[in-house]
Amino acid sequence: ILNVEQSPQSLHVQEGDSTNFTCSFPSSNFYALHWYRWETAKSPEALFVMTLNGDEKKKGRISATLNTKEGYSYLYIKGSQPEDSATYLCASEWVTGNQFYFGTGTSLTVIP
Amino acid sequence: DGGITQSPKYLFRKEGQNVTLSCEQNLNHDAMYWYRQDPGQGLRLIYYSQIVNDFQKGDIAEGYSVSREKKESFPLTVTSAQKNPTAFYLCASSIEGANTQYFGPGTRLTVL
Repeated sequence: ILNVEQSPQSLHVQEGDSTNFTCSFPSSNFYALHWYRWETAKSPEALFVMTLNGDEKKKGRISATLNTKEGYSYLYIKGSQPEDSATYLCASEWVTGNQFYFGTGTSLTVIP
Repeated sequence: DGGITQSPKYLFRKEGQNVTLSCEQNLNHDAMYWYRQDPGQGLRLIYYSQIVNDFQKGDIAEGYSVSREKKESFPLTVTSAQKNPTAFYLCASSIEGANTQYFGPGTRLTVL
């Protein structure tokens, strides 16, 4: 079992604030990094898949970066809105297997 | 309307009883997965199947069994051998060779 860690565990921000959180993972044999958004009472929704060092992905106000050499990814949300409130999960894949290894998630609450 | 369905949403069972959780997908995905979520932990893989009539153990397969008789269905049985069965269970599927997994809404199992 490979350790994927996310920080912070939870975050409360005011509407309009920008925020970011971190996913760290072992960098050896890395294959891909996934970000998911999981709203309460819904299914986790895929946000991004990144594979290359230096990858940057963007979807509306949400963006993510990847550093495979040092084993971390950042997720940024610009101008947070109440509808951004959710748990954000990251998962890493390695070349040695078919499994995703998930972090414990960052719970984001955006206060109107 | 394509997607992954899990039923029921909430399930209660007495200790010592086997229980089967349903997962159905109409996305024509080859691969299907079962995860378990416990408080303070990331999603952990129980079993996965990449093709009909074949499945592999994940990190926490003890006390669980699965079958894959049809492409669209991947039921999970929680047996009486599972020592701590109370948890939230998520099913996912993906296209073989592609690495994004799509999740169902989950089943919360409580063993009394």
